[in-house]
Amino acid sequence: NAGVTQTPKFQVLKTGQSMTLQCAQDMNHNSMYWYRQDPGMGLRLIYYSASEGTTDKGEVPNGYNVSRLNKREFSLRLESAAPSQTSVYFCASSVGTSGGLTYEQYFGPGTRLTVT
Amino acid sequence: SQELEQSPQSLIVQEGKNLTINCTSSKTLYGLYWYKQKYGEGLIFLMMLQKGGEEKSHEKITAKLDEKKQQSSLHITASQPSHAGIYLCGADGHTGNQFYFGTGTSLTVIP
Repeated sequence: NAGVTQTPKFQVLKTGQSMTLQCAQDMNHNSMYWYRQDPGMGLRLIYYSASEGTTDKGEVPNGYNVSRLNKREFSLRLESAAPSQTSVYFCASSVGTSGGLTYEQYFGPGTRLTVT
Repeated sequence: SQELEQSPQSLIVQEGKNLTINCTSSKTLYGLYWYKQKYGEGLIFLMMLQKGGEEKSHEKITAKLDEKKQQSSLHITASQPSHAGIYLCGADGHTGNQFYFGTGTSLTVIP
C-alpha cells in the first residue's frame, strides 16, 4: 500500500499563477485534510473533508479551494498564487472522527511550494 | 480557536540523556495527540491521550495528560539519534472537525 501520496513534490510559481496540488489515499479513509507548515507556526489546517462529498474550511482557508473528487482523492487549488503562500503543504487522511475525537491521521510526504 | 503552546522550541541533548517536551492548551482538551516529524518528511502518529491523568508509553517515549486536561508532557528516556526530529502536539477543535497543531519542538540528539 502506498498510503497517502502527494504530487508534485516541489513547485515554483510566479505570483498570480494557479496550480492544483493532488492528494490520494488508498486506505479507504473517510476524512482527508490539507495543512500548511511554516517555520515557527507548526501545521495549520487549510480545509478538510469529513466524508466524500463534503468540505469545510479550516483555520487558514483564504486563497485556497478544494475538491473531494471521490473517496480517494482530495485536491487543493491555488487560483492566484501569492508569496505568502510559500510553504510546505501536507495532505492527511484518517478513518474519521468519533465523539469529537479524530482517529490517527496519516500524512503524505509534502509538497514544497515557492511563490516568487 | 484552539491554541497549543509547546516548550521548549528546540532541544539539543547528548545521546542517553532524558528529556521532556511540554504542550499547553488554551482550552480543555477532548483529546491530545503526539506526532513526530522527521526532517523533510510527513508526520507520524505516536499516541493519543483522552482522559485526565492518563499516561501512555511506546518504547522509550511516555506521554501524560494532566488531570485538568490542559497540559501534556512527552518524556523520552535514554535518548537515541533515532529520536531526533520535530515533535508536535495536536488537538481537536471544539466545533466541527477542526484540528490544531502546536508550534513544534525540534529535537537534536548528539551521538
